[in-house]
Amino acid sequence: AQSVTQPDIHITVSEGASLELRCNYSYGATPYLFWYVQSPGQGLQLLLKYFSGDTLVQGIKGFEAEFKRSQSSFNLRKPSVHWSDAAEYFCAVGEGNTPLVFGKGTRLSVIA
Amino acid sequence: ETGVTQTPRHLVMGMTNKKSLKCEQHLGHNAMYWYKQSAKKPLELMFVYSLEERVENNSVPSRFSPECPNSSHLFLHLHTLQPEDSALYLCASSLNLATNEKLFFGSGTQLSVL
Repeated sequence: AQSVTQPDIHITVSEGASLELRCNYSYGATPYLFWYVQSPGQGLQLLLKYFSGDTLVQGIKGFEAEFKRSQSSFNLRKPSVHWSDAAEYFCAVGEGNTPLVFGKGTRLSVIA
Repeated sequence: ETGVTQTPRHLVMGMTNKKSLKCEQHLGHNAMYWYKQSAKKPLELMFVYSLEERVENNSVPSRFSPECPNSSHLFLHLHTLQPEDSALYLCASSLNLATNEKLFFGSGTQLSVL
């Protein structure tokens, strides 16, 4: 069965520090991969997506993610976190025309 | 502002009430979705509509009844809900049904069932 795992429920980082949020998936073929962000009281907003080609994709707000087929991973990174990045982050995976499967999310807290 | 508007933002209802959630988009999208977001659970896809036809119904209890009168509006009718139905209900839209299409989400309706 298709599945998406975000191993970290909650991460706290200092402002200005680097960030990596993990995402692992279980799919048969090459999936479409997404990261969405949800600020408190808001819906989800797309940060970036990977379909094919260069395995390092750039997104909005200074985020990037790298697709590693050998590790079935699509980790999200940011070199320097800002306080406004505090939010919930969701990894999502899909293939063909099937609906996206979302992970449980990772809540990011940013401290001064 | 994503272009997807949900009303109301908050709703408290008793188990015997009937209420409706509304979603509206004027992005020219052809696909619309209802998701349920509960604490510590993955986002659950409930219903999918494409060109006003329901194409996905993920074993959702009949106490949830969707309606898509046109490509811009989506409703979720609620009746005789249970306390475990308390959650954030998110509406989303996309240009079409393809998996690689970007989803545009509304801010959600926070539902509490007493």
